[in-house]
Amino acid sequence: SQQGEEDPQALSIQEGENATMNCSYKTSINNLQWYRQNSGRGLVHLILIRSNEREKHSGRLRVTLDTSKKSSSLLITASRAADTASYFCATDAGGGAQKLVFGQGTRLTINP
Amino acid sequence: SQTIHQWPATLVQPVGSPLSLECTVEGTSNPNLYWYRQAAGRGLQLLFYSVGIGQISSEVPQNLSASRPQDRQFILSSKKLLLSDSGFYLCAWSIPSAGHQPQHFGDGTRLSIL
Repeated sequence: SQQGEEDPQALSIQEGENATMNCSYKTSINNLQWYRQNSGRGLVHLILIRSNEREKHSGRLRVTLDTSKKSSSLLITASRAADTASYFCATDAGGGAQKLVFGQGTRLTINP
Repeated sequence: SQTIHQWPATLVQPVGSPLSLECTVEGTSNPNLYWYRQAAGRGLQLLFYSVGIGQISSEVPQNLSASRPQDRQFILSSKKLLLSDSGFYLCAWSIPSAGHQPQHFGDGTRLSIL
């Protein structure tokens, strides 16, 4: 089942602008992760935020987590053409198998 | 460093034919292993996961099966493919831990059923 719901489904912005993607989920989580997928390729892990964390940064990426609203956002600052990809949130409910439930993704296009 | 290999990259198979997709991980021991399927423009659906040799858990009823004959080898199989088995199949691994670990993905196999 798909737990994460990303919003928007598609986003097109100009190079240099900031891109914000949102993710909502339904059940309690151990952590939430964001992944990137270039067309026709595998997913690449971007950032993991634990349920007791509210904000995390990695380079031009900023992730927030609001467990009371069961939502997360991914902000990419100063976007580049190379950021064009699909972005997925995934939730880990805990347990030894570390299973992830993925959202449907946001297709981000950066126009030069 | 750890690497994951998945092959073949693309595969075209007739309906009713068998399937075997292979995934191997290098540079780590006793990884958790996962098989996902991704429909076009959609998110990933977890098909199988394994926490050890011979230990396979199925997430959804389907025409596929998985096996883990060696510690770092994960195989996805079918005896008779259906049209609905078409899709992009991804293998992933993670470090087994009670903590917080990301998953690391292969480059996938695009399977087309004719």
